[in-house]
Amino acid sequence: QVQLVQSGAEVKKPGASVKVSCKASGYTFTSYGISWVRQAPGQGLEWMGWISAYNGNTNYAQKLQGRVTMTTDTSTSTAYMELRSLRSDDTAVYYCARVYSTVDNTNWYFDLWGRGTLVTVSS
Amino acid sequence: SYELTQPPSVSVSPGQTARITCSADALPKQYAYWYQQKPGQAPVLVIYKDSERPSGIPERFSGSSSGTTVTLTISGVQAEDEADYYCQSADSSGTYPDVVFGGGTKLTVL
Repeated sequence: QVQLVQSGAEVKKPGASVKVSCKASGYTFTSYGISWVRQAPGQGLEWMGWISAYNGNTNYAQKLQGRVTMTTDTSTSTAYMELRSLRSDDTAVYYCARVYSTVDNTNWYFDLWGRGTLVTVSS
Repeated sequence: SYELTQPPSVSVSPGQTARITCSADALPKQYAYWYQQKPGQAPVLVIYKDSERPSGIPERFSGSSSGTTVTLTISGVQAEDEADYYCQSADSSGTYPDVVFGGGTKLTVL
């Protein structure tokens, strides 16, 4: 079964870090990239960045540069997203999503999503 | 990067046609994609490459593109189509694309 299974909900204090995992199954992990998308309560979707599961190359949203790190472990087909220096406005559901892309980057979209991980930042 | 603009809400009666627009200044160079998100669920891709429909998505969902505006059309709207819809594109001016989402449109089935 093709799926992305994410880790469970987290509660963190301001200033702390959180690391969310996303385990892929049912497809060749290194053939696709993984993006992370977050959604604050009652708000829209916000793209956080992308990592190539093939070679580990990354591209982060400018807004999160310096606070976010995306990694993969190909031995376990798992992607990770770490967000540091958490603030209350980082409270959101964090989704991982498989990226379908073409070599010339004219196509770039998300064809498989995890169920989301709620991260709550509160003192 | 650039922005994608969607209407905040669209309302239709069952059986009618719903049209949700998404406009930007870079779409002619980039394809657009549409996602449906129901409360408490992850988004689901309903249209890719402006007008292609993934397998498993009902035929009543279609997409079109004209100039800088793409449109998601839902023909014969059903109650189960009530959801938030997001358009998405990608800015490929850098080494790797930056993804952009529209602000989302809440479709209400009256």
